[in-house]
Amino acid sequence: EPEVTQTPSHQVTQMGQEVILRCVPISNHLYFYWYRQILGQKVEFLVSFYNNEISEKSEIFDDQFSVERPDGSNFTLKIRSTKLEDSAMYFCASSAKGPVNSPLHFGNGTRLTVT
Amino acid sequence: AQSVTQLGSHVSVSEGALVLLRCNYSSSVPPYLFWYVQYPNQGLQLLLKYTTGATLVKGINGFEAEFKKSETSFHLTKPSAHMSDAAEYFCAVRKSSSYKLIFGSGTRLLVRP
Repeated sequence: EPEVTQTPSHQVTQMGQEVILRCVPISNHLYFYWYRQILGQKVEFLVSFYNNEISEKSEIFDDQFSVERPDGSNFTLKIRSTKLEDSAMYFCASSAKGPVNSPLHFGNGTRLTVT
Repeated sequence: AQSVTQLGSHVSVSEGALVLLRCNYSSSVPPYLFWYVQYPNQGLQLLLKYTTGATLVKGINGFEAEFKKSETSFHLTKPSAHMSDAAEYFCAVRKSSSYKLIFGSGTRLLVRP
């Protein structure tokens, strides 16, 4: 069964550094998402992306964050200047259609640790 | 604003016993409701969803959930727990006008032999 792939599984970075989290969605999917889960807290929506633009973003997704689909297969989340509070598990997801009409398929996550 | 409350961060049942994981939501409009499961070191997997129509929804692995509008609940049940059901379960809600899933805090299900 096709799956969403995220790399790396664990990333350690220093505060203030830029980090790029990578995702390969399922190949025929058109909608892409990033969620995060800070340890011990809820899974939180960051952003959704469709037709090469952001369709919705949360208040967490400020100017430090950006997303890109650079080559038609990868979907990346960039954090420009990481803060300690960015430490979390980041999940990428994709869906063939909108999130009601087709289920979200989640990757296994990237654990980001900011020191 | 929409929110989801899952009662009980941990639920422990014996193998073969009924599983009941509780979820209550608040929403100003009819919501779409979901249950996801997360096994260790894996992503979230959709168990079942309610959008419209029949209020009793069947999902994978023998799970089902019932949408009760009067109680604003969407509890997840399984008649007989299996050891492989041990995982974390998340209830989520979405407005029809939004791409955003709002998750509950999760319930970790432990299954005792």
